[in-house]
Amino acid sequence: DQQVKQNSPSLSVQEGRISILNCDYTNSMFDYFLWYKKYPAEGPTFLISISSIKDKNEDGRFTVFLNKSAKHLSLHIVPSQPGDSAVYFCAARGYGGSQGNLIFGKGTKLSVKP
Amino acid sequence: DGGITQSPKYLFRKEGQNVTLSCEQNLNHDAMYWYRQDPGQGLRLIYYSQIVNDFQKGDIAEGYSVSREKKESFPLTVTSAQKNPTAFYLCASKLMNTEAFFGQGTRLTVV
Repeated sequence: DQQVKQNSPSLSVQEGRISILNCDYTNSMFDYFLWYKKYPAEGPTFLISISSIKDKNEDGRFTVFLNKSAKHLSLHIVPSQPGDSAVYFCAARGYGGSQGNLIFGKGTKLSVKP
Repeated sequence: DGGITQSPKYLFRKEGQNVTLSCEQNLNHDAMYWYRQDPGQGLRLIYYSQIVNDFQKGDIAEGYSVSREKKESFPLTVTSAQKNPTAFYLCASKLMNTEAFFGQGTRLTVV
């Protein structure tokens, strides 16, 4: 049973426009969420995170929004650049016996067209 | 420079062979992880270790084994019992309440 879901396998956006990547989760015990960016044949790199006590976190062109009641988070990239083309993974931090472990979604491949 | 290093970058295995993937970190992180990435499957957890000399199975541990004799090292052995080992393998490390740092990955191919 998938606890972190990214329902859009791919997204195509024009350079300069906004990219919105979505993520849903099923477990209300998750208290910390992260976004990673991954290029082909490389390891993922950390992008931005948000604690469940917040509803927004911003870092330059990247903003993550959290809607706890809907168990939904989104990553906004404004403006989008061709170098942003990559696979983006949403992750939630586990709790209890799995405290600290990250549970990943299946990823969304973002293509930013010049 | 602190970081996490995986080797080799590419690895070829014959049917029935065991192979070991290396993962070393000098970040002084307590926890280390092995993930497997398949197309369209995201990152699936194989094994993790939160402290030296202790490790736990993840979601897809069958056919794999690990050891954690040193804080810096967390090698993964892909055994002949793993029926579909061709994949991209990622090692990560982290402190308890921080983000995970990933290595560059090892591409394993069965020939």
